[in-house]
Amino acid sequence: RKEVEQDPGPFNVPEGATVAFNCTYSNSASQSFFWYRQDCRKEPKLLMSVYSSGNEDGRFTAQLNRASQYISLLIRDSKLSDSATYLCVVDSGGYQKVTFGTGTKLQVIP
Amino acid sequence: DGGITQSPKYLFRKEGQNVTLSCEQNLNHDAMYWYRQDPGQGLRLIYYSQIVNDFQKGDIAEGYSVSREKKESFPLTVTSAQKNPTAFYLCASSMLGGAVPQHFGDGTRLSIL
Repeated sequence: RKEVEQDPGPFNVPEGATVAFNCTYSNSASQSFFWYRQDCRKEPKLLMSVYSSGNEDGRFTAQLNRASQYISLLIRDSKLSDSATYLCVVDSGGYQKVTFGTGTKLQVIP
Repeated sequence: DGGITQSPKYLFRKEGQNVTLSCEQNLNHDAMYWYRQDPGQGLRLIYYSQIVNDFQKGDIAEGYSVSREKKESFPLTVTSAQKNPTAFYLCASSMLGGAVPQHFGDGTRLSIL
């Protein structure tokens, strides 16, 4: 089993739709979790951290389920500009234990 | 504005040649990283540095070398020993105490001639 797994997609959704991605991780000792956004042929950008209590930033909500070992990202009212690849990142304790997922591609359609 | 500058954007390497990728940051971050991104794979850590004059190997350090003589600069050399260097190389930084990169440069695409 991979340390961090994401559905590669693509997820094709119409503007205004709500879409959710999951990211599963295998190391139960993992401590910190993050979502990044990466536009085509660009660098990743930190989108948000994921806390046990869940956190929200505008249209974006991130949640952590430790029992089932996954994190999720929910995007409400999708915009064309949300089209990108979303990477999950899991920190299992230190520089050499940070794992990037391969990403989920989102395409928002007019 | 603070950020990370990588150069060049595109680089071509001949057989047997060493090439150096530049990375400069003005964020006053202590930690700097080099990652490699290949299609269909997650970012993989090549080297990281927590402070000046100190750096550590990541998961795929073979065929690469780095230096950290100044806080702002963390150049990566891709040596001829790296047999499959074609990839997107990303430099990143974070404040000390965080192992997860906070900012990335806009990357260098390296190809073999």
